[in-house]
Amino acid sequence: NAGVTQTPKFQVLKTGQSMTLQCAQDMNHNSMYWYRQDPGMGLRLIYYSASEGTTDKGEVPNGYNVSRLNKREFSLRLESAAPSQTSVYFCASGGQTPQETQYFGPGTRLLVL
Amino acid sequence: QKEVEQDPGPLSVPEGAIVSLNCTYSNSAFQYFMWYRQYSRKGPELLMYTYSSGNKEDGRFTAQVDKSSKYISLFIRDSQPSDSATYLCATSRGSTLGRLYFGRGTQLTVWP
Repeated sequence: NAGVTQTPKFQVLKTGQSMTLQCAQDMNHNSMYWYRQDPGMGLRLIYYSASEGTTDKGEVPNGYNVSRLNKREFSLRLESAAPSQTSVYFCASGGQTPQETQYFGPGTRLLVL
Repeated sequence: QKEVEQDPGPLSVPEGAIVSLNCTYSNSAFQYFMWYRQYSRKGPELLMYTYSSGNKEDGRFTAQVDKSSKYISLFIRDSQPSDSATYLCATSRGSTLGRLYFGRGTQLTVWP
């Protein structure tokens, strides 16, 4: 039981490059989330998927796209990376009961030069 | 105004001290209240949750919610150096969990 896994762990991009962050969960949760965490800003929700086949914008969706590939996998894509997207990205999954509240992955550290 | 406000600290206390961490929230529709702990360079992990008002105790940790004043607290008794981490409060609307609204987190250091 791996929980929530994220790849890659660390990535360096040049401005304008694209990349996809991958996330998978093995807890059979319906909901999945992408956050970014910056110093002093806490966790900010980028996009979320309440169930397979649905996605919704969070607080800071600009510059990102997501795909809920199936119940297990939820990917985050940066089409044209900008230095302002330098951050730590966390994926989370969760159910609807308190016992299933959001479980987080280990994070992806992204540096955009 | 953010949905949940939390003083980022940092907070530094000696081992054995009682620690009080606090948040306020703006929306009376919030029903679930969570505390997450995040160690350096790790993902957040759920520490405790409460539903509606009242207290909940788990070992050295006590979570408290006062819905009348929209105030959330986490108390840590007999604090240990291993408690050094960032603590994030979070809330959720409705009777079932969904999207969470996080505070900015309070960085706590417990020194020996």
